Amino acid sequence: DTAVSQTPKYLVTQMGNDKSIKCEQNLGHDTMYWYKQDSKKFLKIMFSYNNKELIINETVPNRFSPKSPDKAHLNLHINSLELGDSAVYFCASSSGRIRIFGPGTRLTVT
Amino acid sequence: AQKVTQAQTEISVVEKEDVTLDCVYETRDTTYYLFWYKQPPSGELVFLIRRNSFDEQNEISGRYSWNFQKSTSSFNFTITASQVVDSAVYFCALGGSQGNLIFGKGTKLSVKP
Repeated sequence: DTAVSQTPKYLVTQMGNDKSIKCEQNLGHDTMYWYKQDSKKFLKIMFSYNNKELIINETVPNRFSPKSPDKAHLNLHINSLELGDSAVYFCASSSGRIRIFGPGTRLTVT
Repeated sequence: AQKVTQAQTEISVVEKEDVTLDCVYETRDTTYYLFWYKQPPSGELVFLIRRNSFDEQNEISGRYSWNFQKSTSSFNFTITASQVVDSAVYFCALGGSQGNLIFGKGTKLSVKP
């Protein structure tokens, strides 16, 4: 019955690898997001999708590519992982009233 | 430019004390939204409140209360009779017309028994 779910919760990988994080929401929300929380706890938006269309794309390296197969899913694919990509990545969804966050995925690049 | 400032980096109180977390925002939007989220040590982000710019009524929910002052661009959060379980990082955030959510840097609250 989780509202916004992410998999995996933890991801440890080596530099240069490609990895994906999946996000699903069962709230019927139209808009989904990806946020990055760095080691200093600073939260910053990366992408926003509304009804499968990209509406916000902050200054994020091209190695990050979001994919929204349908309104309930927004996956994040990262190519050629770098040490600086280590962070917690949060997916979120909203209907314009409240924004609900997923549990986060802690990515560690070694 | 939109900005959220949480000037208190860390606050430490003893259980049962009242504590206020400050939040000051900047925006040129006439319609905007303010949020507070709690991030406990387990790491998830828990939604606490959303307030729109047209509603300056203060809100109370149990031990939590929020004071929205448009004149000073502040949206402060008070916890009354704090408990150890309130220990967390609290984020204030500003939502504008474009749907983005700008977060403050957070205030780490430690409540000691």
